Amino acid sequence: EVQLVESGGGLVQPGGSLRLSCAASEFTLSGYEMNWVRQAPGRGLEWVSYISTTGTTRNYADSVEGRFTISRDNAKNSLYLQMNNLSAEDTAVYYCVREKRYFVWSHAFDLWGQGTMVIVSP
Amino acid sequence: SYELTQPPSVSASPGQTASITCSGDQLGNKYICWYQQKPGQSPVLVIYQDTKRPSGIPERFSGSNSGNTATLTISGTQAMDEADYYCQAWDSNTAGVFGGGTKLSVL
Repeated sequence: EVQLVESGGGLVQPGGSLRLSCAASEFTLSGYEMNWVRQAPGRGLEWVSYISTTGTTRNYADSVEGRFTISRDNAKNSLYLQMNNLSAEDTAVYYCVREKRYFVWSHAFDLWGQGTMVIVSP
Repeated sequence: SYELTQPPSVSASPGQTASITCSGDQLGNKYICWYQQKPGQSPVLVIYQDTKRPSGIPERFSGSNSGNTATLTISGTQAMDEADYYCQAWDSNTAGVFGGGTKLSVL
């Protein structure tokens, strides 16, 4: 089955760090741009970060810029999110999301993982 | 940064048409996507490139985008369509932005 499986979530203290992983199954990750999207409890979706197919281009939401780092290992078919200096506002379900590009200006988040919960609390 | 605005809630009776709007500055100049999220589940893409349906999405889902407003229309709404719906566009070619979400109630 084509799917994305996240791991690495959990409880962390404010100021702490966490590294999320996302494993792709039944498709080759290197052919896709990838993103992380998060959802705080009872709230809407928030785009967090983007990475190009080779990892050359990365982009971040203002809310995480300088604290989070997205990376990928195409040989391992995996995506990562290193999160540092975490605060309560980072508490959310984090989704690994595949981006399908139809042509230059047409793309969509066509495959979502099940999400991994991150709780930042003393 | 670019912002998308959705109504917090919309309701429809079974069999009726539900319309969910998404507004943004010159939104018609961008391509928009729509996602459905049911409680406890991950979002699912239901519309991309303003009007196109991915494989497996029922024909009752349709979309439009012009001027400052995009609209998701669900014709013949069914109880299974009750969910949160999010519009999404790109602030740049590599930065996504979501609307705040609309809860569709099928009464």
